Amino acid sequence: GAVVSQHPSRVICKSGTSVKIECRSLDFQATTMFWYRQFPKQSLMLMATSNEGSKATYEQGVEKDKFLINHASLTLSTLTVTSAHPEDSSFYICSASNRDRGTDTQYFGPGTRLTVL
Amino acid sequence: GENVEQHPSTLSVQEGDSAVIKCTYSDSASNYFPWYKQELGKRPQLIIDIRSNVGEKKDQRIAVTLNKTAKHFSLHITETQPEDSAVYFCAVDSWGKLQFGAGTQVVVTP
Repeated sequence: GAVVSQHPSRVICKSGTSVKIECRSLDFQATTMFWYRQFPKQSLMLMATSNEGSKATYEQGVEKDKFLINHASLTLSTLTVTSAHPEDSSFYICSASNRDRGTDTQYFGPGTRLTVL
Repeated sequence: GENVEQHPSTLSVQEGDSAVIKCTYSDSASNYFPWYKQELGKRPQLIIDIRSNVGEKKDQRIAVTLNKTAKHFSLHITETQPEDSAVYFCAVDSWGKLQFGAGTQVVVTP
């Protein structure tokens, strides 16, 4: 149980284009989803927290107009990187939890490797 | 906000020996402390976690100890094997969000 998928696993795009990444909880309802960014040889940095049906909460320094997050259902959240630039190249990982089950455990997706040329 | 420090940054051990990684945190209200293992290019995998109402938890070769007074917790891996080689991250739940340590690269040499 507690499987989280992400799509795509890898994407290469040109500078200035937008990229959408999907995060799905496959066998549980995710009341909360989190989006992280991880640069090579670094730790995971939380970008934003999203709760189903409400606006995402962004961490300090993360531009909400650049990283659009939608959590339309209890099993799906999307991250759209708008007008991507080379400095946005990174490993983007989502996680999901179900606090209604009284647990703080986060289950991670496999990540999306974004390369902006 | 929460500040999590993790040491060491790299750890090389001989197969069969034990490995210990330590994390300290700053927010005394934090009450959930998971450990994740991440292999290169893969997702972080939860390997063990502990909540503030217990001081120690063990799962086969892996154990975690928590000292709430001193605000530190440690991961212990016994009888290390080559497949234990990975990056290990501690994390602290602070107001519903996970704050991660910087990670420890563990290399187990045969």
